Amino acid sequence: ILNVEQSPQSLHVQEGDSTNFTCSFPSSNFYALHWYRWETAKSPEALFVMTLNGDEKKKGRISATLNTKEGYSYLYIKGSQPEDSATYLCAPNTNAGKSTFGDGTTLTVKP
Amino acid sequence: ETGVTQTPRHLVMGMTNKKSLKCEQHLGHNAMYWYKQSAKKPLELMFVYNFKEQTENNSVPSRFSPECPNSSHLFLHLHTLQPEDSALYLCASSPVGGNQPQHFGDGTRLSIL
Repeated sequence: ILNVEQSPQSLHVQEGDSTNFTCSFPSSNFYALHWYRWETAKSPEALFVMTLNGDEKKKGRISATLNTKEGYSYLYIKGSQPEDSATYLCAPNTNAGKSTFGDGTTLTVKP
Repeated sequence: ETGVTQTPRHLVMGMTNKKSLKCEQHLGHNAMYWYKQSAKKPLELMFVYNFKEQTENNSVPSRFSPECPNSSHLFLHLHTLQPEDSALYLCASSPVGGNQPQHFGDGTRLSIL
C-alpha cells in the first residue's frame, strides 16, 4: 500500500475563486495517477489519468499537472462554481498494478 | 449512469445474518473491485478480480467472501459481521491495466446492528 497524502483535507472558497490542491506519493515504481471527483450521494467519477512526468491535462476549468520525479500532482480549478463542490481523490498506481487512494480534498464552493 | 450497478443501495443487518451485495457492469471490463469506505477514512481496496480470477485480497477478514462468476458480475457475501463493518461498500470496474480509470457504482450503505 502506497503512502498517499492529499492536502488540504478540506477547502472552502467563494464562487469565482481559483484554487488548487496537492497529491503526494512515493516516486519509486510509479506507473500512473488518477484523479477522481466524488460528489455527495453520487459515485466517484474519473477526471484524469496521468502517466508521464510533466503531463498536464485539462477538462474545462479543471486542470492537473504531474511530477513523477518528486512525487506530486496538483489539481487546479479556475473560477470555482458551486457545482465544483465535491471530494477530489487521487490514486497513484505502481508498476505492479497496485492502486491506493488518498484521503481526498473536500472542496466547498460558496455562492 | 456510470454503467456499474450495485444492489441493494442500503442494507441493515444483524451480526448473525447472512446477506450478499451484488455488482453488475456491462461496460466490457475485465477487472472488478470491492472497496470499503468507513466514516472519515479513505477508500480501502478489499478485493480485485482480473478475468474472474482474484488477484488481490487486501487482508480482508474471512467474514467477507467475494465471488466473481463472470467478468460482468461481482458479489460480496457477508456473514457474522461486526458493528465496525458498517460502511459504504463500493464496486468498481475497469479494463485490465494500471493506466485505466475505474468506473464506480453508487455503493451499498451497510449498517450492522
